[in-house]
Amino acid sequence: ILNVEQSPQSLHVQEGDSTNFTCSFPSSNFYALHWYRWETAKSPEALFVMTLNGDEKKKGRISATLNTKEGYSYLYIKGSQPEDSATYLCALGAGNNRKLIWGLGTSLAVNP
Amino acid sequence: NAGVTQTPKFQVLKTGQSMTLQCAQDMNHNSMYWYRQDPGMGLRLIYYSASEGTTDKGEVPNGYNVSRLNKREFSLRLESAAPSQTSVYFCASNGRGPPGPQHFGDGTRLSIL
Repeated sequence: ILNVEQSPQSLHVQEGDSTNFTCSFPSSNFYALHWYRWETAKSPEALFVMTLNGDEKKKGRISATLNTKEGYSYLYIKGSQPEDSATYLCALGAGNNRKLIWGLGTSLAVNP
Repeated sequence: NAGVTQTPKFQVLKTGQSMTLQCAQDMNHNSMYWYRQDPGMGLRLIYYSASEGTTDKGEVPNGYNVSRLNKREFSLRLESAAPSQTSVYFCASNGRGPPGPQHFGDGTRLSIL
């Protein structure tokens, strides 16, 4: 059974701090690694989809890296703002089916 | 462009009642999904449809049925609702080709008494 693990489970930072979270996954049958941002009372919103080992993606102050050989991805937020408060989910696409295997998320709270 | 539209947004049912959750997408996506989200459990896949005319079970299909009515619409039916099915339900879709991101509806909050 494939399992996607995220750490830490939750994180509290001060406005202006930079932070990062980890997504760990089994590297066999890797197809894609997704990151989503999920604000309270809203629906998940895609941030990045990465497919190649060594991939780096960036959107504003948020960036992500991927290591498919060792089975991990990092999400970085530079200069956190209160509006970054959300749960950040990663999900693994493995094999050739179209299902994703979801982690439980890292809940980020940014204090002003 | 509406994206993924779910109806209803809220519903309260009594145990044993039936209902259908509706989902429609206007992005010409081939694949559609139904998830449930419960505290501490993350997103769990109930059913998915890789393309029009096909449906497959996910992790937690028991107590649910689905219909992929056409390319746009994918409905989820609870035949005899149970309190354990109290949850927030999300529909999502994604397109063919390179593994694209999933686009989510706003969710349906369902309470079963």
